Amino acid sequence: LAKTTQPISMDSYEGQEVNITCSHNNIATNDYITWYQQFPSQGPRFIIQGYKTKVTNEVASLFIPADRKSSTLSLPRVSLSDTAVYYCLVGDEGGSYIPTFGRGTSLIVHP
Amino acid sequence: GAGVSQSPSNKVTEKGKDVELRCDPISGHTALYWYRQSLGQGLEFLIYFQGNSAPDKSGLPSDRFSAERTGGSVSTLTIQRTQQEDSAVYLCASSPFSGGLIGEQYFGPGTRLTVT
Repeated sequence: LAKTTQPISMDSYEGQEVNITCSHNNIATNDYITWYQQFPSQGPRFIIQGYKTKVTNEVASLFIPADRKSSTLSLPRVSLSDTAVYYCLVGDEGGSYIPTFGRGTSLIVHP
Repeated sequence: GAGVSQSPSNKVTEKGKDVELRCDPISGHTALYWYRQSLGQGLEFLIYFQGNSAPDKSGLPSDRFSAERTGGSVSTLTIQRTQQEDSAVYLCASSPFSGGLIGEQYFGPGTRLTVT
């Protein structure tokens, strides 16, 4: 299973763009990259998933370089409500996988 | 539509007692997951169901933990002879994807278990 490494914490200010990078050096050919967001006292919420290049939805963008050994979640113009923990997961459609959320990145957005 | 629901939302139990935690997944979702999250920690995977079968039980912390799923729907996580270190939030998630694909998992609100 591909292991992921993320910064433990990040700080930003309202209106700024935030980029959170996840390293996954031993990502396998069939692995997808998925990001979740978790607010206190709630279960995680799916943000975005990608395989290569760039994926964009109404919430965020996911940038994946050609070697796929890392990925960057980009949150445009963050607000106070984006303060949360962000998790990066890597895995494939194998029948026996263990989703590893790790400790994630705690993002704090300041006024 | 209805999301994943879990019950109870909070459970306080005495050390040594058995507890049952329930998860109602989104209707039609074939995959169901149980996780545990201790205070300030990430999510610890416990077990995964595809339909009614659990391909991987290796995440269960000890033989005091067991889980079942019936009718491809409701799942119950049972902890026997609870210990204080079992105190955590237990999260359930379901997914419409099969074969272990990491697609979107939909999480319930969790059950906060406190063992005194």
